[in-house]
Amino acid sequence: GAVVSQHPSRVICKSGTSVKIECRSLDFQATTMFWYRQFPKQSLMLMATSNEGSKATYEQGVEKDKFLINHASLTLSTLTVTSAHPEDSSFYICSARDPRRTGGDYGYTFGSGTRLTVV
Amino acid sequence: DAKTTQPPSMDCAEGRAANLPCNHSTISGNEYVYWYRQIHSQGPQYIIHGLKNNETNEMASLIITEDRKSSTLILPHATLRDTAVYYCIVLSSGTYKYIFGTGTRLKVLA
Repeated sequence: GAVVSQHPSRVICKSGTSVKIECRSLDFQATTMFWYRQFPKQSLMLMATSNEGSKATYEQGVEKDKFLINHASLTLSTLTVTSAHPEDSSFYICSARDPRRTGGDYGYTFGSGTRLTVV
Repeated sequence: DAKTTQPPSMDCAEGRAANLPCNHSTISGNEYVYWYRQIHSQGPQYIIHGLKNNETNEMASLIITEDRKSSTLILPHATLRDTAVYYCIVLSSGTYKYIFGTGTRLKVLA
């Protein structure tokens, strides 16, 4: 089945620094990936849609200069949290669709998530 | 985007069937219903999906009403490891995005 790997699983950084999170599709090529963030005891909130070879599409209220997304290849999307602050501490999750699934069957596979703590 | 409504929490005795309802009254004719679950501090795990017909796999069964405005996920013999938050999602046919609702926090009791 489709596998999505996310790295790192956990990161602690100092306030003001930048952190990069990687999302890889291991056994398929993903033209589209999605990034979510999740605060404790809350649901997943979609941040942006990452498209291979083009600019990401951000959801309303998400700062594109703060959360830089790069989808440079068909198997890798990265999320960089720039000038991180304690309020950026959250659980970040990516997902991707296996294009081999056809018709309206658009099931997505999720990564295992990255716990970011900004101190 | 079609919105889903789920009860915030449910308890189920171990070994019994867990029936998790979901309301998606604004679903369009070609939109699928997906169910995922999230165990603490992990990414969501796919369970099952369907369009019109009832579906069954090794994990669960999905019952979709004839008018498609609601569905029920059935875990036939719940175990302690099924304790998780369960999300019912309607995939938008226009944007192809998953929009997560609040989900149901299922607690399986020994």
